[in-house]
Amino acid sequence: DQQVKQNSPSLSVQEGRISILNCDYTNSMFDYFLWYKKYPAEGPTFLISISSIKDKNEDGRFTVFLNKSAKHLSLHIVPSQPGDSAVYFCAADYGNKLVFGAGTILRVKS
Amino acid sequence: DVKVTQSSRYLVKRTGEKVFLECVQDMDHENMFWYRQDPGLGLRLIYFSYDVKMKEKGDIPEGYSVSREKKERFSLILESASTNQTSMYLCASSLPGFAGDEKLFFGSGTQLSVL
Repeated sequence: DQQVKQNSPSLSVQEGRISILNCDYTNSMFDYFLWYKKYPAEGPTFLISISSIKDKNEDGRFTVFLNKSAKHLSLHIVPSQPGDSAVYFCAADYGNKLVFGAGTILRVKS
Repeated sequence: DVKVTQSSRYLVKRTGEKVFLECVQDMDHENMFWYRQDPGLGLRLIYFSYDVKMKEKGDIPEGYSVSREKKERFSLILESASTNQTSMYLCASSLPGFAGDEKLFFGSGTQLSVL
């Protein structure tokens, strides 16, 4: 049973527009959430994170929102760029290890 | 520059072979992890280690074992490779307790094909 779910396998967005990637979780004990980005033939790299005591964290073009009551988080990328095309994984901190979602493939069209 | 190095980028093995995947990190991290990535399933944890000679099962340990004889090296072993172990294998390392934002550093992965 997947505790972290990314229900959209893929997303296509026009360059300059907003990309919104969603993630749902089931375990209320998760207290830290992260987003990783992965390009083909490379390992995932850390993008942005958020603690459960916050509802928003921003880093440049990337913002993560957390809704604890809904057990939902989202990653906003504004404006989207072609170089953002990658697989994005949502992850939750669970006892000194991370539980990952299935990933969402983002394609940014120029 | 921090680095997690996986010994092979691509491997092709036959069913029943014993397979070794090697991973080395140069960050003096205590924690090391092996994940496999499959389409639609994301990254699933196979085994992890908090210290030398210590290991813990992840979510899908069946058919795998690990070895950590030195702090910087973590090996994944497929005792008798099967076709359902064809996958991308990713090694990662981290500090204990997730200090700071960058929780895991990943290697580039090993694409294993079992024929």
